[in-house]
Amino acid sequence: RKEVEQDPGPFNVPEGATVAFNCTYSNSASQSFFWYRQDCRKEPKLLMSVYSSGNEDGRFTAQLNRASQYISLLIRDSKLSDSATYLCVVPQGGKLIFGQGTELSVKP
Amino acid sequence: DGGITQSPKYLFRKEGQNVTLSCEQNLNHDAMYWYRQDPGQGLRLIYYSQIVNDFQKGDIAEGYSVSREKKESFPLTVTSAQKNPTAFYLCASSTRPEGIRANVLTFGAGSRLTVL
Repeated sequence: RKEVEQDPGPFNVPEGATVAFNCTYSNSASQSFFWYRQDCRKEPKLLMSVYSSGNEDGRFTAQLNRASQYISLLIRDSKLSDSATYLCVVPQGGKLIFGQGTELSVKP
Repeated sequence: DGGITQSPKYLFRKEGQNVTLSCEQNLNHDAMYWYRQDPGQGLRLIYYSQIVNDFQKGDIAEGYSVSREKKESFPLTVTSAQKNPTAFYLCASSTRPEGIRANVLTFGAGSRLTVL
């Protein structure tokens, strides 16, 4: 099992849709989790941190399921500007492990 | 405004040449990192440094070297020993290694290296 594994994507959704991505992790001792957004050929930027069961910021909700060892990112009312790759990041053994990313494309 | 500056943004290299990628930060962050990203893959850690004059190998350090002589600077040298150096290189920094925000990374804009 990979240390951090994300839904492979790409996800193609219409504007206004609700979309969710999953990220599974292998180390049950991980305590904090992060979602980063990366636009094409740009650097990743922090979207959300998750330190407990979940976090919500406007249209974005991150949920943590420790028993099943996954975190999810829910985007409501998708906008064209949400099109990007979303990276799941899990601290592990003093390092940060990145998932391979899930690509989202929001269409008019 | 504080941030991380990487240079050059684009770099072309002939096989057998060493190249050095610059990374400078004015965020007063203690920890700095170098990642490599290949198409369709997640970021892989090359080297990281938690304090001046100290650094550790990441998962793919072979063929790379770094130095951390100043808190603000963490240059990466891609040597001729790196077999597949064409990639997108990202430098990042974070606050002190301990603490709740220790794992929140700020990235530079990246350097895209192409070997001809």
